[in-house]
Amino acid sequence: DAGVTQSPTHLIKTRGQHVTLRCSPISGHKSVSWYQQVLGQGPQFIFQYYEKEERGRGNFPDRFSARQFPNYSSELNVNALLLGDSALYLCASSLVGLRSVSTEAFFGQGTRLTVV
Amino acid sequence: AQSVTQLDSQVPVFEEAPVELRCNYSSSVSVYLFWYVQYPNQGLQLLLKYLSGSTLVKGINGFEAEFNKSQTSFHLRKPSVHISDTAEYFCAVTLSGGYQKVTFGTGTKLQVIP
Repeated sequence: DAGVTQSPTHLIKTRGQHVTLRCSPISGHKSVSWYQQVLGQGPQFIFQYYEKEERGRGNFPDRFSARQFPNYSSELNVNALLLGDSALYLCASSLVGLRSVSTEAFFGQGTRLTVV
Repeated sequence: AQSVTQLDSQVPVFEEAPVELRCNYSSSVSVYLFWYVQYPNQGLQLLLKYLSGSTLVKGINGFEAEFNKSQTSFHLRKPSVHISDTAEYFCAVTLSGGYQKVTFGTGTKLQVIP
């Protein structure tokens, strides 16, 4: 079975541009979360989506947005890119949803975004 | 809100020696605890998790961790490390039930020395 897949694997953008990152969860998983991992730090929670609705949001500016599609895949969009947005962006999928027992989150390999 | 502190940013250890990576958490409610491993240029892989029950949790690759509620700790241990264990290890916490927001520590780099 395929794990969590993310595309692209690497991306270079210029300041001020926007970027779209994509994530396909494990088949049957309805919850997708996004994390930002800056070099040398632990991942920071950005968004969680469950059944196509936003269920949680971390402390990130409105330049960051996301959505989940009917097939449960997800996109993370970042507008007006800053140098500080350079990071590894991780997507995680899980069976967990609202008011469910928390279980494992399965992570993709990530998208390495470099803003120049 | 929950938080996680990993007390050591780097831990060097000789091959076949035991290792302990320390993790303390803070939360006013019940939590679930996890250890993840990240190899260079890779995503995160779950090593083990504590949800409830026995406080000693065994994971993959010979790792284990012990949940200590009174000390709010969840230290990771391995009795004999291998070169292939060289990686970064993240302790993480999530509130029991509800949203799958995971709060990670800053990570500990384990360097196994031949």
